[in-house]
Amino acid sequence: GQQLNQSPQSMFIQEGEDVSMNCTSSSIFNTWLWYKQDPGEGPVLLIALYKAGELTSNGRLTAQFGITRKDSFLNISASIPSDVGIYFCAGSTNTNAGKSTFGDGTTLTVKP
Amino acid sequence: ETGVTQTPRHLVMGMTNKKSLKCEQHLGHNAMYWYKQSAKKPLELMFVYNFKEQTENNSVPSRFSPECPNSSHLFLHLHTLQPEDSALYLCASSPPGTDTQYFGPGTRLTVL
Repeated sequence: GQQLNQSPQSMFIQEGEDVSMNCTSSSIFNTWLWYKQDPGEGPVLLIALYKAGELTSNGRLTAQFGITRKDSFLNISASIPSDVGIYFCAGSTNTNAGKSTFGDGTTLTVKP
Repeated sequence: ETGVTQTPRHLVMGMTNKKSLKCEQHLGHNAMYWYKQSAKKPLELMFVYNFKEQTENNSVPSRFSPECPNSSHLFLHLHTLQPEDSALYLCASSPPGTDTQYFGPGTRLTVL
């Protein structure tokens, strides 16, 4: 089946630093999604991307849908302690409520 | 608020017990999902229901039995589980025509 390679697996950064993480796939996706999971909670959708080349922002978060449709990145600017959590990318090829393929997650730790 | 609720939030059960997990959404979504999330492992898709019909069973052992009586409710019936089944069980739903998933807070299951 389809697989996503998400990197890095974990990041330890200082408050105020910018963060970048990415996902790559050998398959083409029609939709890229980024989620954040806080400890003890379910993942929450951060950004959804539907078009190759699309660049979308949500506050300090910016995500892009790669031109080849096989990759996506998420940037967080000026990190703060509440950015701590696990960030998941997900790719989907079916817009009729099909399943998404999830990356393994990037665990972010922010030191005050 | 995600709009997807799960009960119970925590469950401890013995290997001979029978218990059920419940998921509920009143967001008008047509698709519902069960995921298993073990420590230091990626999200594992277990089951997908679309308009109450099961469309995906990801080779899940028969000791996990899903039930979807209507588009708003999803159950996961558990019996004779093993200690390695201890994990966070997440429910999600998605609206028609999209693969963006809305997750519940999860049930933390411990099998003794």
